[in-house]
Amino acid sequence: DAKTTQPPSMDCAEGRAANLPCNHSTISGNEYVYWYRQIHSQGPQYIIHGLKNNETNEMASLIITEDRKSSTLILPHATLRDTAVYYCIVRVAQTGANNLFFGTGTRLTVIP
Amino acid sequence: DSGVTQTPKHLITATGQRVTLRCSPRSGDLSVYWYQQSLDQGLQFLIQYYNGEERAKGNILERFSAQQFPDLHSELNLSSLELGDSALYFCASSVTGLSTDTQYFGPGTRLTVL
Repeated sequence: DAKTTQPPSMDCAEGRAANLPCNHSTISGNEYVYWYRQIHSQGPQYIIHGLKNNETNEMASLIITEDRKSSTLILPHATLRDTAVYYCIVRVAQTGANNLFFGTGTRLTVIP
Repeated sequence: DSGVTQTPKHLITATGQRVTLRCSPRSGDLSVYWYQQSLDQGLQFLIQYYNGEERAKGNILERFSAQQFPDLHSELNLSSLELGDSALYFCASSVTGLSTDTQYFGPGTRLTVL
Protein backbone atom coordinates (compact mmCIF):
# COMPACT_ATOMS: atom_id res chain seq x y z
CA ASP A 1 0.00 0.00 0.00
CA ALA A 2 1.13 3.51 -0.78
CA LYS A 3 2.59 5.64 2.00
CA THR A 4 0.75 8.75 3.17
CA THR A 5 2.02 11.99 4.69
CA GLN A 6 -0.12 14.19 6.94
CA PRO A 7 0.66 17.26 9.04
CA PRO A 8 0.98 16.26 12.70
CA SER A 9 -1.49 18.82 13.98
CA MET A 10 -3.98 21.50 12.94
CA ASP A 11 -6.34 23.91 14.63
CA CYS A 12 -9.74 24.99 13.37
CA ALA A 13 -12.23 27.49 14.74
CA GLU A 14 -15.61 26.08 15.70
CA GLY A 15 -18.15 26.53 12.91
CA ARG A 16 -15.52 26.94 10.22
CA ALA A 17 -14.53 24.36 7.64
CA ALA A 18 -11.66 22.07 8.58
CA ASN A 19 -9.49 21.10 5.63
CA LEU A 20 -7.15 18.19 6.36
CA PRO A 21 -4.55 17.44 3.67
CA CYS A 22 -2.97 14.13 2.83
CA ASN A 23 -0.14 13.43 0.42
CA HIS A 24 -0.01 10.03 -1.30
CA SER A 25 2.30 10.67 -4.23
CA THR A 26 3.06 6.97 -4.84
CA ILE A 27 -0.58 5.89 -5.05
CA SER A 28 -1.42 3.31 -7.69
CA GLY A 29 -4.41 3.31 -10.00
CA ASN A 30 -6.28 0.65 -8.04
CA GLU A 31 -5.71 2.13 -4.58
CA TYR A 32 -8.47 3.80 -2.62
CA VAL A 33 -8.08 6.68 -0.19
CA TYR A 34 -9.76 6.09 3.18
CA TRP A 35 -10.21 8.43 6.12
CA TYR A 36 -10.78 7.33 9.70
CA ARG A 37 -10.71 9.34 12.90
CA GLN A 38 -10.14 8.47 16.52
CA ILE A 39 -11.68 10.56 19.24
CA HIS A 40 -9.63 10.28 22.40
CA SER A 41 -8.99 6.54 22.97
CA GLN A 42 -12.29 5.52 21.39
CA GLY A 43 -12.36 3.02 18.54
CA PRO A 44 -11.43 4.48 15.17
CA GLN A 45 -14.43 5.66 13.20
CA TYR A 46 -14.82 5.39 9.43
CA ILE A 47 -15.44 8.74 7.74
CA ILE A 48 -15.28 8.41 3.95
CA HIS A 49 -13.36 6.84 1.10
CA GLY A 50 -12.85 7.40 -2.62
CA LEU A 51 -10.95 6.21 -5.68
CA LYS A 52 -10.72 9.19 -8.01
CA ASN A 53 -13.95 11.11 -7.90
CA ASN A 54 -14.80 13.54 -5.14
CA GLU A 55 -17.10 12.04 -2.53
CA THR A 56 -19.49 13.49 0.01
CA ASN A 57 -21.48 11.95 2.81
CA GLU A 58 -23.22 13.19 5.93
CA MET A 59 -19.94 13.55 7.78
CA ALA A 60 -17.49 15.02 5.31
CA SER A 61 -16.32 15.62 1.76
CA LEU A 62 -13.27 14.07 0.14
CA ILE A 63 -11.50 15.95 -2.62
CA ILE A 64 -8.94 13.95 -4.62
CA THR A 65 -6.67 15.79 -7.04
CA GLU A 66 -6.79 14.83 -10.69
CA ASP A 67 -3.36 13.16 -10.54
CA ARG A 68 -4.52 11.42 -7.32
CA LYS A 69 -1.28 12.30 -5.55
CA SER A 70 -3.01 14.16 -2.77
CA SER A 71 -6.41 14.55 -1.18
CA THR A 72 -8.23 16.78 1.29
CA LEU A 73 -10.82 15.81 3.85
CA ILE A 74 -13.27 18.61 4.50
CA LEU A 75 -15.43 18.88 7.60
CA PRO A 76 -17.77 21.67 6.49
CA HIS A 77 -18.74 23.07 9.90
CA ALA A 78 -16.36 21.82 12.55
CA THR A 79 -17.69 21.32 16.06
CA LEU A 80 -15.88 20.65 19.32
CA ARG A 81 -16.84 16.98 18.94
CA ASP A 82 -14.71 16.82 15.78
CA THR A 83 -11.54 17.19 17.86
CA ALA A 84 -9.73 13.94 17.09
CA VAL A 85 -6.80 12.32 15.31
CA TYR A 86 -7.58 11.91 11.61
CA TYR A 87 -5.93 9.13 9.63
CA CYS A 88 -5.54 9.06 5.86
CA ILE A 89 -5.03 5.48 4.63
CA VAL A 90 -4.43 4.18 1.13
CA ARG A 91 -5.74 0.69 0.37
CA VAL A 92 -5.59 -1.51 -2.68
CA ALA A 93 -8.72 -3.42 -3.62
CA GLN A 94 -7.92 -7.09 -3.10
CA THR A 95 -9.06 -10.22 -1.39
CA GLY A 96 -6.90 -11.58 1.34
CA ALA A 97 -5.40 -9.37 3.98
CA ASN A 98 -7.47 -6.36 4.80
CA ASN A 99 -5.55 -4.86 7.67
CA LEU A 100 -5.43 -1.08 7.92
CA PHE A 101 -2.11 0.66 8.37
CA PHE A 102 -2.57 3.65 10.64
CA GLY A 103 0.24 6.17 10.45
CA THR A 104 0.57 9.03 12.90
CA GLY A 105 -2.37 11.00 11.50
CA THR A 106 -3.29 14.65 12.04
CA ARG A 107 -4.44 15.79 15.45
CA LEU A 108 -7.25 18.27 14.76
CA THR A 109 -8.18 20.61 17.58
CA VAL A 110 -11.41 22.57 17.18
CA ILE A 111 -11.21 25.79 19.13
CA PRO A 112 -14.33 27.47 20.60
CA ASP B 1 -22.35 2.96 18.21
CA SER B 2 -20.60 0.84 15.56
CA GLY B 3 -22.41 -2.38 16.46
CA VAL B 4 -19.16 -4.09 17.45
CA THR B 5 -19.00 -5.03 21.13
CA GLN B 6 -15.95 -5.79 23.21
CA THR B 7 -15.65 -7.12 26.72
CA PRO B 8 -14.35 -6.36 29.21
CA LYS B 9 -13.95 -2.62 28.97
CA HIS B 10 -11.06 -2.55 31.42
CA LEU B 11 -8.76 -5.29 32.61
CA ILE B 12 -6.05 -5.03 35.25
CA THR B 13 -3.76 -7.96 35.82
CA ALA B 14 -0.25 -8.90 36.86
CA THR B 15 2.81 -9.86 34.88
CA GLY B 16 2.92 -13.51 33.91
CA GLN B 17 -0.84 -13.87 33.85
CA ARG B 18 -3.14 -14.84 30.99
CA VAL B 19 -6.24 -12.95 29.86
CA THR B 20 -8.92 -13.35 27.21
CA LEU B 21 -10.50 -10.45 25.36
CA ARG B 22 -13.82 -10.99 23.62
CA CYS B 23 -15.30 -9.39 20.51
CA SER B 24 -18.71 -9.69 18.91
CA PRO B 25 -18.83 -8.39 15.33
CA ARG B 26 -21.67 -6.46 13.75
CA SER B 27 -24.56 -8.62 12.67
CA GLY B 28 -23.78 -10.11 9.27
CA ASP B 29 -20.06 -9.33 9.32
CA LEU B 30 -17.87 -12.34 8.62
CA SER B 31 -14.43 -10.83 9.15
CA VAL B 32 -12.88 -9.81 12.46
CA TYR B 33 -9.66 -7.91 13.04
CA TRP B 34 -7.63 -7.24 16.16
CA TYR B 35 -5.50 -4.14 16.66
CA GLN B 36 -3.25 -3.03 19.50
CA GLN B 37 -2.70 0.60 20.42
CA SER B 38 0.08 1.42 22.82
CA LEU B 39 1.45 4.85 23.62
CA ASP B 40 4.71 4.38 21.77
CA GLN B 41 3.58 2.21 18.85
CA GLY B 42 0.31 3.69 17.70
CA LEU B 43 -2.41 1.50 16.19
CA GLN B 44 -0.99 -1.79 14.97
CA PHE B 45 -2.72 -4.67 13.22
CA LEU B 46 -2.44 -8.01 14.98
CA ILE B 47 -4.56 -10.60 13.16
CA GLN B 48 -7.58 -11.07 10.89
CA TYR B 49 -10.14 -13.87 10.76
CA TYR B 50 -12.70 -14.52 8.08
CA ASN B 51 -15.57 -16.91 8.74
CA GLY B 52 -13.57 -18.87 11.29
CA GLU B 53 -10.32 -19.07 9.37
CA GLU B 54 -7.19 -17.03 9.95
CA ARG B 55 -6.78 -14.65 7.00
CA ALA B 56 -3.77 -12.49 7.84
CA LYS B 57 -1.22 -11.94 10.57
CA GLY B 58 0.47 -8.73 11.52
CA ASN B 59 2.80 -7.93 14.40
CA ILE B 60 1.29 -10.48 16.74
CA LEU B 61 3.56 -11.95 19.37
CA GLU B 62 3.82 -15.72 19.82
CA ARG B 63 2.42 -15.28 23.34
CA PHE B 64 -0.78 -14.00 21.76
CA SER B 65 -3.34 -16.12 19.96
CA ALA B 66 -6.82 -15.63 18.62
CA GLN B 67 -9.71 -17.57 17.22
CA GLN B 68 -13.08 -16.98 15.64
CA PHE B 69 -15.92 -19.22 16.68
CA PRO B 70 -18.82 -20.62 14.58
CA ASP B 71 -21.11 -17.85 15.86
CA LEU B 72 -18.43 -15.44 14.50
CA HIS B 73 -17.43 -13.92 17.81
CA SER B 74 -13.70 -13.79 18.38
CA GLU B 75 -11.36 -14.05 21.33
CA LEU B 76 -7.83 -12.74 21.71
CA ASN B 77 -5.76 -14.63 24.25
CA LEU B 78 -2.74 -12.94 25.77
CA SER B 79 -0.44 -15.05 27.92
CA SER B 80 2.75 -14.59 29.96
CA LEU B 81 1.83 -10.94 30.15
CA GLU B 82 4.55 -8.31 30.36
CA LEU B 83 4.39 -4.66 31.37
CA GLY B 84 4.76 -3.71 27.72
CA ASP B 85 1.53 -5.46 26.81
CA SER B 86 -0.40 -2.69 28.54
CA ALA B 87 -2.41 -1.11 25.75
CA LEU B 88 -5.80 -0.57 24.20
CA TYR B 89 -6.96 -3.57 22.19
CA PHE B 90 -9.50 -2.91 19.48
CA CYS B 91 -11.58 -5.32 17.52
CA ALA B 92 -13.06 -4.39 14.15
CA SER B 93 -15.37 -6.21 11.78
CA SER B 94 -16.30 -6.03 8.13
CA VAL B 95 -18.73 -7.83 5.86
CA THR B 96 -16.15 -9.75 3.85
CA GLY B 97 -12.37 -9.83 3.68
CA LEU B 98 -12.07 -7.41 0.78
CA SER B 99 -9.77 -4.48 1.43
CA THR B 100 -12.41 -2.08 0.20
CA ASP B 101 -14.70 -3.21 3.00
CA THR B 102 -15.27 -0.61 5.64
CA GLN B 103 -14.02 -1.76 9.00
CA TYR B 104 -16.13 -0.87 12.02
CA PHE B 105 -14.32 -0.68 15.32
CA GLY B 106 -15.47 -1.58 18.79
CA PRO B 107 -14.90 0.60 21.85
CA GLY B 108 -11.79 -1.32 22.88
CA THR B 109 -10.47 -3.10 25.95
CA ARG B 110 -7.94 -1.25 28.06
CA LEU B 111 -5.43 -3.74 29.45
CA THR B 112 -3.18 -2.70 32.30
CA VAL B 113 -0.42 -5.08 33.34
CA LEU B 114 1.09 -4.31 36.74
